[in-house]
Amino acid sequence: SQTIHQWPATLVQPVGSPLSLECTVEGTSNPNLYWYRQAAGRGLQLLFYSVGIGQISSEVPQNLSASRPQDRQFILSSKKLLLSDSGFYLCAWSVLTGGGYTFGSGTRLTVV
Amino acid sequence: SQKIEQNSEALNIQEGKTATLTCNYTNYSPAYLQWYRQDPGRGPVFLLLIRENEKEKRKERLKVTFDTTLKQSLFHITASQPADSATYLCALPNYGGSQGNLIFGKGTKLSVKP
Repeated sequence: SQTIHQWPATLVQPVGSPLSLECTVEGTSNPNLYWYRQAAGRGLQLLFYSVGIGQISSEVPQNLSASRPQDRQFILSSKKLLLSDSGFYLCAWSVLTGGGYTFGSGTRLTVV
Repeated sequence: SQKIEQNSEALNIQEGKTATLTCNYTNYSPAYLQWYRQDPGRGPVFLLLIRENEKEKRKERLKVTFDTTLKQSLFHITASQPADSATYLCALPNYGGSQGNLIFGKGTKLSVKP
């Protein structure tokens, strides 16, 4: 069966520190992968998506970046965190365009 | 630009009643629409997908309608239970679905009281 793993579950980081969040998918090949952010009181905001290894598209200009070094691995990074980067970060995958997304359990990031 | 509105931030109903949630969209014609459930501190869970040529879709106690003329979807939970309490999100494809990405509404928080 397909599973998605996302870690860590919670993270408290000082302003200006780097960030690395990892997401891995098991049980499927060549998934579409996504990073979303959900800020308090706001909807899900698409940050990055990837349709294959090394293929990253950014939806929102910001100080975050994403990479897909392997077919089922998606990494969200930042060199220097801002207070505004705080939020709930969710990784998701889908196989088909138009299919339902499967989300990970999320990472609650607090930048202090 | 494409816009999704879930016009109730919160909905409180009594156990056993039917909950009806609304999702409206503007400025494009999506090929499909999806509904998700999100519990506090968890990722959304996919519930149903309905395509533009489908008027209605059912799954157990859930029913979704899709009115492309009104640009609206209704999400119904019949015989609601306290366990149905959660935030429900509607989602539509970005740029008409060509890229497969989804944009999400802000959600409606449903509370079912015993």
